[in-house]
Amino acid sequence: TQLLEQSPQFLSIQEGENLTVYCNSSSVFSSLQWYRQEPGEGPVLLVTVVTGGEVKKLKRLTFQFGDARKDSSLHITAAQPGDTGLYLCADLGNAGKSTFGDGTTLTVKP
Amino acid sequence: DAGITQSPRHKVTETGTPVTLRCHQTENHRYMYWYRQDPGHGLRLIHYSYGVKDTDKGEVSDGYSVSRSKTEDFLLTLESATSSQTSVYFCAIRGTGGSNSPLHFGNGTRLTVT
Repeated sequence: TQLLEQSPQFLSIQEGENLTVYCNSSSVFSSLQWYRQEPGEGPVLLVTVVTGGEVKKLKRLTFQFGDARKDSSLHITAAQPGDTGLYLCADLGNAGKSTFGDGTTLTVKP
Repeated sequence: DAGITQSPRHKVTETGTPVTLRCHQTENHRYMYWYRQDPGHGLRLIHYSYGVKDTDKGEVSDGYSVSRSKTEDFLLTLESATSSQTSVYFCAIRGTGGSNSPLHFGNGTRLTVT
C-alpha cells in the first residue's frame, strides 16, 4: 500500500513570507496531483505533474516533481491570506483511485 | 463548478440506524467515488463506480455499501451506523481529459453518529 507523507503538518506564517511544503511517497508516483481545500468545501485541483524533474508554475505557486518521481514540493512566494487552506498531494492510481496524503494546513496571517 | 451536489450537507444519527448519503452529478461522467476525511487520515477511498451498476471496494469499505442505478446518482449507505463512521464524506467525479484527469469533489456531508 502506497503511503504519502506530507510535511509540515501545520504551518503558520505572516503575509508576504515564502514557504515550501513537501510530499514524499513510499513508491513511485503514477501521476502526482496537488489540491487545495478550504473549510467546508471539497478539494480543488491545483496542478498535475507526470514527468520526473518537472517544474510547473501557477502564479505565485511553484511545483517541483523529483527526478525519481517519489517526491514533490510546493513553494509559495509572498504568501497571502487567500492562500490559507489545506494542501493535499495525491497519486492518481488506476481507474482514478487516488491515494491522498494527510495534508499541510497553512495559515497566512495578515 | 463540476456540477456535483451532495445531500444532506449535515446529518446527526444514532448508532445502529441506517443512513444513506446521495451524490448527484450533472456532468454525465462515468467514474464516481466516495471518500471519507478524518483528522490524521486524510482522504480515504470507500467505494467507487465505473458505470451504472458497476462498483468496487476501496481502502475502507467495511460497513458501507453503494449503489448506482443511474449515471448521475451514486448512493452511499451505512447499513448500521457506528461512532467510528463519524466523518466528513466527499463524493468525487473524474474528468474526461484522459488518464491524468483530476477528481472534482462535492462540498461534503458532515455525518455525526451519536
